[in-house]
Amino acid sequence: GAVVSQHPSWVICKSGTSVKIECRSLDFQATTMFWYRQFPKQSLMLMATSNEGSKATYEQGVEKDKFLINHASLTLSTLTVTSAHPEDSSFYICSARIAGVDTQYFGPGTRLTVL
Amino acid sequence: GESVGLHLPTLSVQEGDNSIINCAYSNSASDYFIWYKQESGKGPQFIIDIRSNMDKRQGQRVTVLLNKTVKHLSLQIAATQPGDSAVYFCAENQGAGGTSYGKLTFGQGTILTVHP
Repeated sequence: GAVVSQHPSWVICKSGTSVKIECRSLDFQATTMFWYRQFPKQSLMLMATSNEGSKATYEQGVEKDKFLINHASLTLSTLTVTSAHPEDSSFYICSARIAGVDTQYFGPGTRLTVL
Repeated sequence: GESVGLHLPTLSVQEGDNSIINCAYSNSASDYFIWYKQESGKGPQFIIDIRSNMDKRQGQRVTVLLNKTVKHLSLQIAATQPGDSAVYFCAENQGAGGTSYGKLTFGQGTILTVHP
């Protein structure tokens, strides 16, 4: 149980285009989802916290207009990287949390490469 | 802000040995700690967790120890196997209530390599 999926698993795009990444909780309802970014050989850095039906809360230094987060249902959150640039190339990972349970369940990640 | 850190960035062990991965945390308000395993190109996988009202918790081949006095967390892996080779992260939950509830802060990670 507690499976989280991400789509796509990898994506290559041209500089200036937008990319949408989906995060789904497959067998549970996630009241809260989190988006992380991980650069090679580094740790996970939290980008934003997304609660179903409300605006996402972004961490300091993360541009909310560049990284658009939508959490329209209890099983789906999306991250859109707008006007992507090569420096946005990274491994994006989402996690989901059930209300009242501390454990976060992580997705498999999405590798974004911006040319 | 406060952060979680690790003492050893790399650890190499022989198959069958016991492994100990350490983590220091600085946020005294943290009440929940988790160890994750991350294999190359994959998302973190939950290993074991512990709450601040405990000092030890055991799972299958893994034990987590929490020393709140010195703000230290460790993960012990018994009879380490090649399949245990991965990056291990500790993470802390910054406490209930307010906007920090549920947020995790990750340590820098330790690369564990198990030699057959």
